[in-house]
Amino acid sequence: EVQLVESGGGLVQPGGSLRLSCAASGFTFSSYSMNWVRQAPGKGLEWLSYISSDSTTIYYVDSVKGRFTISRDNAKNSLYLQMHSLRAEDTAVYYCARAAHVDYWGHGTLVTVSS
Amino acid sequence: ETTLTQSPAFMSATPGDKVNISCKASQDIDDDMNWYQQKPGEAAILIIQEATTLVPGIPPRFSGSGYGTDFTLTINNIESEDVAYYFCLQHDKIPYTFGQGTKLEIK
Repeated sequence: EVQLVESGGGLVQPGGSLRLSCAASGFTFSSYSMNWVRQAPGKGLEWLSYISSDSTTIYYVDSVKGRFTISRDNAKNSLYLQMHSLRAEDTAVYYCARAAHVDYWGHGTLVTVSS
Repeated sequence: ETTLTQSPAFMSATPGDKVNISCKASQDIDDDMNWYQQKPGEAAILIIQEATTLVPGIPPRFSGSGYGTDFTLTINNIESEDVAYYFCLQHDKIPYTFGQGTKLEIK
């Protein structure tokens, strides 16, 4: 069974940093590209970033370019999102999702940016 | 950026009804459209991929149609368990984009 479990969310002050993790199981992680997606309270979903299976191709949405960094460790079956210079508008539930065609999602981890 | 306009935002249906949810893309995305179902507290589930392909294990009362810019998710013979939030995703062009979602209520 494919499982994606996000962790690392929490309360952070504006301007702060946070690193999210996504633990993958039930499939060959190293064979799949991965994505990060978020949903702010009361808002729609926003795709944030994509990383290919071998980390050679990476994309970001403009709103997080230069502040967020996606990475992965295939030996640990893990995906990461390093977030810097966090703003109130980054408050959201953050999801990892598998594959370029986005077939499986995790349950998400809540990030709250507030003083 | 490809804008997806999803409608309606909210709908209420009676068991046995047929409902249609629309997703219109601002530019041609071929058939790179997925539909998802999300229930409170649960992970989103892919129900239709590549615009028309029913994901294995999803009840056949769900179907998808469309190509290019106009897409529709149809639910036939709605059941009470179909209460959920439904949304579309285009994965043809970076950045991927989502529709605003549809909250389906069962009367």
